[in-house]
Amino acid sequence: DAGVTQSPTHLIKTRGQQVTLRCSPKSGHDTVSWYQQALGQGPQFIFQYYEEEERQRGNFPDRFSGHQFPNYSSELNVNALWLGDSALYLCASSFSTDGYTFGSGTRLTVV
Amino acid sequence: GQNIDQPTEMTATEGAIVQINCTYQTSGFNGLFWYQQHAGEAPTFLSYNVLDGLEEKGRFSSFLSRSKGYSYLLLKELQMKDSASYLCAVRHSWGKLQFGAGTQVVVTP
Repeated sequence: DAGVTQSPTHLIKTRGQQVTLRCSPKSGHDTVSWYQQALGQGPQFIFQYYEEEERQRGNFPDRFSGHQFPNYSSELNVNALWLGDSALYLCASSFSTDGYTFGSGTRLTVV
Repeated sequence: GQNIDQPTEMTATEGAIVQINCTYQTSGFNGLFWYQQHAGEAPTFLSYNVLDGLEEKGRFSSFLSRSKGYSYLLLKELQMKDSASYLCAVRHSWGKLQFGAGTQVVVTP
């Protein structure tokens, strides 16, 4: 049974560019959340998708947007990249009040 | 405000016991998780407390006091592979997780 799959694993982008990160949830999970983790910090909640709608959003600017597809997979898009967007981006899937399964993340470096 | 505080780093000897404390001030509390995270890897689930008291799972135990806004994770019989960051996270309504900054545990021979 596959867990949460994220792609790509690593990415280098130039300041001002746009990036799309992808997440396939664990089988049976219908909710996907995205987190940003800067080096040496805990993950920070970006947003959560359920039934293809953004259900909750953290304190992130509109440059961060997302989407959930009918098969529950999800994308995170970041426009106009800043140097400060360099971080590990984690996707977590869940079902109802069950626990969360995290993917291994995408390491984004903005230069 | 909404804060989750845990120590930055703890060092302990192989075979010893370490207790990582976590205090929180937050609204909409719906349970507390502990995760282990090795550098550059995904957080992995260790424990979940929603009611007051102690939950034991092998070498790891977790305690919660909702009235005090306090939890701890107890790691017994430390092994070198336990060297990692340990994250305390509060679950809010609708499932959002709010994390502390993590406690780096260093296990020495």
